[in-house]
Amino acid sequence: DTGVSQNPRHKITKRGQNVTFRCDPISEHNRLYWYRQTLGQGPEFLTYFQNEAQLEKSRLLSDRFSAERPKGSFSTLEIQRTEQGDSAMYLCASGSEISGQYFGPGTRLTVT
Amino acid sequence: QKEVEQNSGPLSVPEGAIASLNCTYSDRGSQSFFWYRQYSGKSPELIMFIYSNGDKEDGRFTAQLNKASQYVSLLIRDSQPSDSATYLCAVKNSGGYQKVTFGIGTKLQVIP
Repeated sequence: DTGVSQNPRHKITKRGQNVTFRCDPISEHNRLYWYRQTLGQGPEFLTYFQNEAQLEKSRLLSDRFSAERPKGSFSTLEIQRTEQGDSAMYLCASGSEISGQYFGPGTRLTVT
Repeated sequence: QKEVEQNSGPLSVPEGAIASLNCTYSDRGSQSFFWYRQYSGKSPELIMFIYSNGDKEDGRFTAQLNKASQYVSLLIRDSQPSDSATYLCAVKNSGGYQKVTFGIGTKLQVIP
């Protein structure tokens, strides 16, 4: 399977704990995006990488959120001190200059 | 004003009819427009993209773009029950890093 993969698929954590999600993009794509989606809403942009450079981060994103893409390959999204409002589906997508974005299956986070 | 606006629906059409899904956007400099299909509990799937004014056809799907009116639409001919899903409009914004903004999505129900 050469699509976008995300791990874990589901994560349940207690409020205040840190969580980290991983995304492996389509190998030939140099762009990688993270989104958050809640029920009944479209995906909300979080951050964007071109190769290893993080070029844009949503102004709405709390400092508790951080993302990395070492060596321009896979990416991780970390949420520190989780809150119940962080419960959502976290989507990763990859693309190139000429393509649309191709989404992974997502990681569903539940904060109790 | 939201950056990308869609009617959340549901839009109900009988099987075999044409479904028409509409989207407006606020960034006049936007250059790229995408339609995604999202089944309940799944991640978005890219079905069409369009860059130039006019129509673009792919099988039963036709995307229409009118940049002067800042309007993009998706037509689905010969609608099938399997087309029942939420359809997300996405716009790649103008500016250096080309963030993609999604609408809320329109829920389509195809009635057998």
